[in-house]
Amino acid sequence: SAVISQKPSRDICQRGTSLTIQCQVDSQVTMMFWYRQQPGQSLTLIATANQGSEATYESGFVIDKFPISRPNLTFSTLTVSNMSPEDSSIYLCSVVVGEQLFFGEGSRLTVL
Amino acid sequence: RKEVEQDPGPFNVPEGATVAFNCTYSNSASQSFFWYRQDCRKEPKLLMSVYSSGNEDGRFTAQLNRASQYISLLIRDSKLSDSATYLCVVKTGGFKTIFGAGTRLFVKA
Repeated sequence: SAVISQKPSRDICQRGTSLTIQCQVDSQVTMMFWYRQQPGQSLTLIATANQGSEATYESGFVIDKFPISRPNLTFSTLTVSNMSPEDSSIYLCSVVVGEQLFFGEGSRLTVL
Repeated sequence: RKEVEQDPGPFNVPEGATVAFNCTYSNSASQSFFWYRQDCRKEPKLLMSVYSSGNEDGRFTAQLNRASQYISLLIRDSKLSDSATYLCVVKTGGFKTIFGAGTRLFVKA
């Protein structure tokens, strides 16, 4: 299994600002995943973060808007840049152990 | 067409009822299938994997029909604590994981 700590758990931000979300895993993992879950919707993969290389972004997500760092095998950050109200969402980091996806508790972001 | 589609719900059932959810997937090359449970304002957690032979875990039974490309989840003797959103999850090759939009279940006393 994996235990994932995510912070902040929630934040309220002004439009135009940026927020960095941190994700810490209790074991070394090759890949970490960042998801977004908009209100009433399911999870959408933003990007896959590999240690030592640039993140791989899914269609509709770009590095300038969602820069990701992966400095080591247990930690990653996702920044939501130049926020707008449309970015209000829950952001979750995730890792795969065996066949199972484990998630952090999520960061609930509200942009005013 | 969405890659993974689920009954949107919500399903409102009394305690003790049996309820079934269906999920269809579009990619015939999909390899692994799961049901996740997500409580309100919480992260998703694995409920059970779904195997071709079908599998059961207590009150929960999951089945996979590869020919028709659907999976199902049956909950027997529903409890109040079963109230949650149930996510159908499909993995294709590698680490690509697709989530359904979820089916909301409300179990009432």
